[in-house]
Amino acid sequence: GENVEQHPSTLSVQEGDSAVIKCTYSDSASNYFPWYKQELGKGPQLIIDIRSNVGEKKDQRIAVTLNKTAKHFSLHITETQPEDSAVYFCAASWGGSYIPTFGRGTSLIVHP
Amino acid sequence: EAGVTQFPSHSVIEKGQTVTLRCDPISGHDNLYWYRRVMGKEIKFLLHFVKESKQDESGMPNNRFLAERTGGTYSTLKVQPAELEDSGVYFCASSQRHLEQGWGYQETQYFGPGTRLLVL
Repeated sequence: GENVEQHPSTLSVQEGDSAVIKCTYSDSASNYFPWYKQELGKGPQLIIDIRSNVGEKKDQRIAVTLNKTAKHFSLHITETQPEDSAVYFCAASWGGSYIPTFGRGTSLIVHP
Repeated sequence: EAGVTQFPSHSVIEKGQTVTLRCDPISGHDNLYWYRRVMGKEIKFLLHFVKESKQDESGMPNNRFLAERTGGTYSTLKVQPAELEDSGVYFCASSQRHLEQGWGYQETQYFGPGTRLLVL
């Protein structure tokens, strides 16, 4: 089955800095890579996703990159703000299954 | 539109007791999923309903866990008897699939806030 590794487990940055979270996956059949943000007291919410036919996708301050050859994908947050503080999960799935395999999560802390 | 709701938000029980978790999906969503996150670890799939039918229950840990979805609306997850290792956060998610050209059926899963279960 699929295995997703996520690093770092904790990331502490100053407001305005950039934050990068990295994930690797094992199953070359995976073709869909969503990222979720979980704020305190809430469930994970989809913030951005990328499919295997593109290498990068941006949405305002967040971007995801995908390297299919290396089986790596990353989340980049620029100009971080305190409200970006949350736990972020990467995930991977393939077209025949709608069930994502999640990473262990990264706790991002943005200090004002 | 109301999101996915879960009840209770927290539950503390003793080993051997029974606990029932409830999930109300977004109205009209046929797909309902249960997940669990043990502290510090990944979110793991438990099972998937399509309407009232269990589509995939390969993630259910053992027969102490029983999930139902009466009438294809809300779902319950019962743990009986609870063990220490059942502690964690139980999430429910719902979705409705749509056909996307070139990619087949796609979906976005909307998660509830979770139930934090502590077994002592």
